[in-house]
Amino acid sequence: GNSVTQMEGPVTLSEEAFLTINCTYTATGYPSLFWYVQYPGEGLQLLLKATKADDKGSNKGFEATYRKETTSFHLEKGSVQVSDSAVYFCALSERGYQKVTFGTGTKLQVIP
Amino acid sequence: ETGVTQTPRHLVMGMTNKKSLKCEQHLGHNAMYWYKQSAKKPLELMFVYNFKEQTENNSVPSRFSPECPNSSHLFLHLHTLQPEDSALYLCASSLQTLAGGTPRGELFFGEGSRLTVL
Repeated sequence: GNSVTQMEGPVTLSEEAFLTINCTYTATGYPSLFWYVQYPGEGLQLLLKATKADDKGSNKGFEATYRKETTSFHLEKGSVQVSDSAVYFCALSERGYQKVTFGTGTKLQVIP
Repeated sequence: ETGVTQTPRHLVMGMTNKKSLKCEQHLGHNAMYWYKQSAKKPLELMFVYNFKEQTENNSVPSRFSPECPNSSHLFLHLHTLQPEDSALYLCASSLQTLAGGTPRGELFFGEGSRLTVL
């Protein structure tokens, strides 16, 4: 079956540091890949997505590139802010299926 | 007003109680979902409704009973729960094609209902 593996957190960074959160996946077909973010006390919201190999999703300074050869979709940001503190979920969805498979989430703490 | 609204935000219940969680979406979507979020575990898909019809039951115990009276409302009826059912229950919605074609996979979530079973 499908699965998503994320690095365990929490990840603690100082403001303006570079962020990488690793995500790898297992899927039988050609999935779409997503990063969702959950701010404290809120539900998940879509951060970015990529639907085919070599696509780059980007939003709010965050980027992730769909790497089929390494089955990865790592999240990056060049300079994090305190307001980026949240839990980040990597996810996939296969075409023709309605199930979205999520990873366990990675908590990011950014300190001033 | 948020797109997906869940009530109550917090619920404490005993194992013999009966309670319900409510979800309402204002986005014009036609698919609704219940997910369970527990600490250090991936989100677990519980139920999926498309056009008010249940299309997915992910081996959920019968003490959880969903109801979808229309495309905008979704309920989760709870009875004789166990302490291990304590979790954050998230409702989500999405727009699916009539032909069941390629789903975009993008879900819109509510803020969740934090359930504690004593």
